Amino acid sequence: DVKVTQSSRYLVKRTGEKVFLECVQDMDHENMFWYRQDPGLGLRLIYFSYDVKMKEKGDIPEGYSVSREKKERFSLILESASTNQTSMYLCASSPTTVPTQVGGYTFGSGTRLTVV
Amino acid sequence: QQQVKQSPQSLIVQKGGISIINCAYENTAFDYFPWYQQFPGKGPALLIAIRPDVSEKKEGRFTISFNKSAKQFSLHIMDSQPGDSATYFCATGSGAGSYQLTFGKGTKLSVIP
Repeated sequence: DVKVTQSSRYLVKRTGEKVFLECVQDMDHENMFWYRQDPGLGLRLIYFSYDVKMKEKGDIPEGYSVSREKKERFSLILESASTNQTSMYLCASSPTTVPTQVGGYTFGSGTRLTVV
Repeated sequence: QQQVKQSPQSLIVQKGGISIINCAYENTAFDYFPWYQQFPGKGPALLIAIRPDVSEKKEGRFTISFNKSAKQFSLHIMDSQPGDSATYFCATGSGAGSYQLTFGKGTKLSVIP
């Protein structure tokens, strides 16, 4: 069963900490995405990557960075966590030729981050 | 950023009823219209998708209706069941090298017995 795995389901971090959220996919997908999900705001794209070592800003990149050193792994980094970054973070992947075919995105189960 | 406007934000339907969720988009270049279903504690999962060359697609109790001229599409859940209670997201996508889907803000559906 193909999957996208996010390393932590729940995280609690202190304000100012550097936070790493890890995502691994086993489908050999080229594209990987990081979203945050907040009530009433839906899914907002933070960053995406269409190849190893490549990254593109999404709609809300401020306060975040990403790293993609290997095809299967895409990391989201909160350089200095703040309380307004408390949220559910979702990782997704898709193959290059597709996002628009059946199957499209495959999402992980999410990491609920609380910054105190 | 192209928007996808989804309504309603929340919906309560009695068991056996029809649930209807609507989405409207702006960019006529979009050529892929999926719906994702998300249960609590899980990531969204693809439910059903349609391309603009057809006006309707049905899979079991789930139907997408597509109106190209109005730039609108909707999800209909027939004979709604408590197990359908979830958050539903519409999305739009464009081929020709685009990697991204644009999501609506989601609809929380509650099906009550």
